[in-house]
Amino acid sequence: DVKVTQSSRYLVKRTGEKVFLECVQDMDHENMFWYRQDPGLGLRLIYFSYDVKMKEKGDIPEGYSVSREKKERFSLILESASTNQTSMYLCASSLTLPGMLGSGANVLTFGAGSRLTVL
Amino acid sequence: DAKTTQPPSMDCAEGRAANLPCNHSTISGNEYVYWYRQIHSQGPQYIIHGLKNNETNEMASLIITEDRKSSTLILPHATLRDTAVYYCIVRVTSGGSNYKLTFGKGTLLTVNP
Repeated sequence: DVKVTQSSRYLVKRTGEKVFLECVQDMDHENMFWYRQDPGLGLRLIYFSYDVKMKEKGDIPEGYSVSREKKERFSLILESASTNQTSMYLCASSLTLPGMLGSGANVLTFGAGSRLTVL
Repeated sequence: DAKTTQPPSMDCAEGRAANLPCNHSTISGNEYVYWYRQIHSQGPQYIIHGLKNNETNEMASLIITEDRKSSTLILPHATLRDTAVYYCIVRVTSGGSNYKLTFGKGTLLTVNP
């Protein structure tokens, strides 16, 4: 089974701190994603990466950056954490981009999530 | 972009079939329907997907109407562990970046003993 592992299940940080959320997948997937999930807002895409050192902004990239130096690892960085970034962060990976025309195997495998609290 | 409509919640008795409906009346011909579920405090889990034909795997069956405007996810023998939020998703394209799967609010399925 594909495994997507997020380094921290729970984190508590202070406003202004730099925060790193790490995600590792073990199935050689090209694509990796960072979502955040908030009550009433569902899952929202922050950034995704389709190859090493490649990234694209999602719906809510402001206040975040990402790093993909190795294929298996995708990091989400909060340069200066703020209280409105308190959320559940979910990493996912896929073999092909979700929704690619003609492809039926574009599924996302998610990690267990990292619940971040910014005080 | 095709949007989906799901009931906010449903109940099901343990051992019975759970039938979760989804409306996607604006779906276009080349868009797939995906189903995921999210058990409390875990990440979403892929269940099944389909384009036109009905699909079945070890987890569930997916019935898509002939006009493709709606679908039903069937869990044939629901267990307590199937209690989760179930998301019906249609591929979304945006400005040529067709990577997005947009998760709505889903249906909270509660399986009762």
